[in-house]
Formats: sequence, C-alpha cells, structure tokens
Amino acid sequence: EPEVTQTPSHQVTQMGQEVILRCVPISNHLYFYWYRQILGQKVEFLVSFYNNEISEKSEIFDDQFSVERPDGSNFTLKIRSTKLEDSAMYFCASQLGGSGANVLTFGAGSRLTVL
Amino acid sequence: SQKIEQNSEALNIQEGKTATLTCNYTNYSPAYLQWYRQDPGRGPVFLLLIRENEKEKRKERLKVTFDTTLKQSLFHITASQPADSATYLCALGRTGGSYIPTFGRGTSLIVHP
Repeated sequence: EPEVTQTPSHQVTQMGQEVILRCVPISNHLYFYWYRQILGQKVEFLVSFYNNEISEKSEIFDDQFSVERPDGSNFTLKIRSTKLEDSAMYFCASQLGGSGANVLTFGAGSRLTVL
Repeated sequence: SQKIEQNSEALNIQEGKTATLTCNYTNYSPAYLQWYRQDPGRGPVFLLLIRENEKEKRKERLKVTFDTTLKQSLFHITASQPADSATYLCALGRTGGSYIPTFGRGTSLIVHP
C-alpha cells in the first residue's frame, strides 16, 4: 500500500538553529499538508500546498516556517530559527484530489526536540 | 469560539463489547466529519468519512452516526478487540470556508482481554 515517508524520524536541535523536515508524499497525490502535534495535544494544521504554492496556512505558520517542493517527489518544511515551543511531532500528509472531503494519508511523523 | 470536543478520559471496555466514542462540536457548519485512528508515536490513519447529508455510515465493525442538529457524531466499534486499543480522533471539514480537516484531541480506547 502506498505510504507517505518522512525523514528524519527524530531530530534534536539547539534553539535558534534551522531545521528541515522532509516528506515524500504518495506519488499521484496532488495536495500536501503539514500538521504538528505537541505532546499530549491535538493535531494542528500548519499549511496546505497545491500546484506548487501554499493554498492555506494557519496562524501557527508564521514567517519562521516555509514549505517547498523542490522536485517532483519531496515536500519539505523548514523552520528557520527554532524555538523551544517548536518541539513537537510534525506530520506530513497528502491527498489524492480535491473531492471536497479531504481524506488525508499521514506519514509516521518527525519528532523535533528543541533544546 | 469554535470547539471540537472529545472525551479526554480514556474509555476502558472488555473485549467483545461495543465501544462508543463521542465527538461534539460548537460553532461549526461541517460539510463532513472524519474519524481517524492514532497509535502512540504514529500518524493518524483514516477510518471513515460521513457527509453532512448522511446519518450513518458503516465499514466492517465500525459505524459512524452524524447528527447535525445535536452537533454530534458517535463512533462505534462492535465486537471490540485488544488490537482496537488506540486514540480515535474526529476531524471536521469546512471551518470558516476551509475544507481542511480540523482535529479534536481524541479519545483513548483501551480494550481489555
């Protein structure tokens, strides 16, 4: 069964450092998402991406965050200068098409720990 | 303010019984509601979707109901098994015009053998 693949599975970084989280969505999917989940909290939407541009973003997705699809397969989330409160599990998800019901396939997540 | 509420207390049941989980929402007009399963340290896995004009959906041992008047969805797992132990998340689409799923905090289900 097709999967969304995320790397790294766990990253530890110092506050103020840049982090790039990588995702390989399912190959024929068109919509891509990043969500995050702080330990013990709910899964929160960060950003959606379609046709090589951001289609929607939440208040969490401020200027410290950026997304990119540098080639035909990878989808990356960059945090420019990490803060302690960025420590969370980051999930990439992809969706086949715009059916209006947005069934998402999630990756296993990248755990980010900011010290 | 908009809220999606799921019981924060874990639901403990015996194997073979029916588990019923609740999702309530306020100040939403969802076009659809989804249920996902999340295991510890893993991403959510889609289970079922129900649209605003549907009352009930079934898939194998799973059943979802959607009452837009009560603003509530019930998620049932019949003949529950220890392998069903996980956190179950509900997600609503169309919040302020967006179809992007917005998640509740989830309810932990523990099925005892």
